Amino acid sequence: DVKVTQSSRYLVKRTGEKVFLECVQDMDHENMFWYRQDPGLGLRLIYFSYDVKMKEKGDIPEGYSVSREKKERFSLILESASTSQTSMYLCASSQGPPGQYFGPGTRLTVT
Amino acid sequence: GQQLNQSPQSMFIQEGEDVSMNCTSSSIFNTWLWYKQDPGEGPVLLIALYKAGELTSNGRLTAQFGITRKDSFLNISASIPSDVGIYFCAGDFGNEKLTFGTGTRLTIIP
Repeated sequence: DVKVTQSSRYLVKRTGEKVFLECVQDMDHENMFWYRQDPGLGLRLIYFSYDVKMKEKGDIPEGYSVSREKKERFSLILESASTSQTSMYLCASSQGPPGQYFGPGTRLTVT
Repeated sequence: GQQLNQSPQSMFIQEGEDVSMNCTSSSIFNTWLWYKQDPGEGPVLLIALYKAGELTSNGRLTAQFGITRKDSFLNISASIPSDVGIYFCAGDFGNEKLTFGTGTRLTIIP
């Protein structure tokens, strides 16, 4: 069974902290993605990766970076968290079309 | 990046009713996808559409890829309580950089 896991379901951080969100998939998928989900805005792509050590910017990369040192793990990094980054963060993986498999999400609150 | 216009934003229906929702875009997509998100979970793929005019069913769900390739429709027949959730459309240009709609929240009134 396909499985994408995210390190935390809920996270509370302070403004200015460095935040790491971890995502692991067990399907040997090449492609991994990070989205944020906000009410009324749907899902917006932050960063994605087609291969180990490879990364590409999505639609809203500002304030974020990523790391993919191993095929199964894709990390999202908030270098200096701000309140505007309070959101639901969703990780996904795929082996090409038709669709991406999503993790359960991490609800991040920055105070 | 652009967003897709998805409507309606929310729907309140009674069990057994049929549901229709749609997405429109200013861009032409190679693929249209429909996802459902249950509370506290990530979205799950329901239907994928690959050709203009294509009509595809998955149980009580039927989706269509619009002729202009700029829109897509999802219908749910005879709704049941487990249909509750948020439905998202997504467009793919072919590079898996998905553009999502804003979502339709479906609520079933007892």
